[in-house]
Amino acid sequence: EPEVTQTPSHQVTQMGQEVILRCVPISNHLYFYWYRQILGQKVEFLVSFYNNEISEKSEIFDDQFSVERPDGSNFTLKIRSTKLEDSAMYFCASTLRTGKETQYFGPGTRLLVL
Amino acid sequence: GENVEQHPSTLSVQEGDSAVIKCTYSDSASNYFPWYKQELGKRPQLIIDIRSNVGEKKDQRIAVTLNKTAKHFSLHITETQPEDSAVYFCAAQGGGADGLTFGKGTHLIIQP
Repeated sequence: EPEVTQTPSHQVTQMGQEVILRCVPISNHLYFYWYRQILGQKVEFLVSFYNNEISEKSEIFDDQFSVERPDGSNFTLKIRSTKLEDSAMYFCASTLRTGKETQYFGPGTRLLVL
Repeated sequence: GENVEQHPSTLSVQEGDSAVIKCTYSDSASNYFPWYKQELGKRPQLIIDIRSNVGEKKDQRIAVTLNKTAKHFSLHITETQPEDSAVYFCAAQGGGADGLTFGKGTHLIIQP
């Protein structure tokens, strides 16, 4: 069964550094998402992406964040200047056609900002 | 925006007994309610979902009920097994929204 994949599984970075988290959505899916989960807390929506543009973003997704689909398979989340509070598990998800279908989650990237 | 409350935060049941997890939501326009199971260190996996045009849905030992009037929905697991131990998250999706709003999760512990 096809799955969403994410790399790296773990990333440690210094405060102020830029990080890029990578995702490969399920191949025929058209809608992509990023969520984050701070340790011990709920999963929070960051952004959705469709047809090469942001469809919806939450108030968490400020100017520090950006998303990109650089090629036909990858979907990336960039954090420009990381802060301590960006430490979290970041999940990518994808859906087949619309934003109203089952969202399939990747295994996550655990980001630690020191 | 949408707000989802989930209870209890921890639930311990004897193997073979039933478990019920409850969620409430605030946005009456929400129309899609999935439940995800997350084992330690793994991705959230969809286990069942329900849309607002249906009051109940069942899949083997798992069922979900939805009360639109009261704005709450519940997950029911019958004949619990050790492999049911995990954190369960409910979520809601608003009528015009892409993103899911999650509850805080319920840590379900199945006692042998």
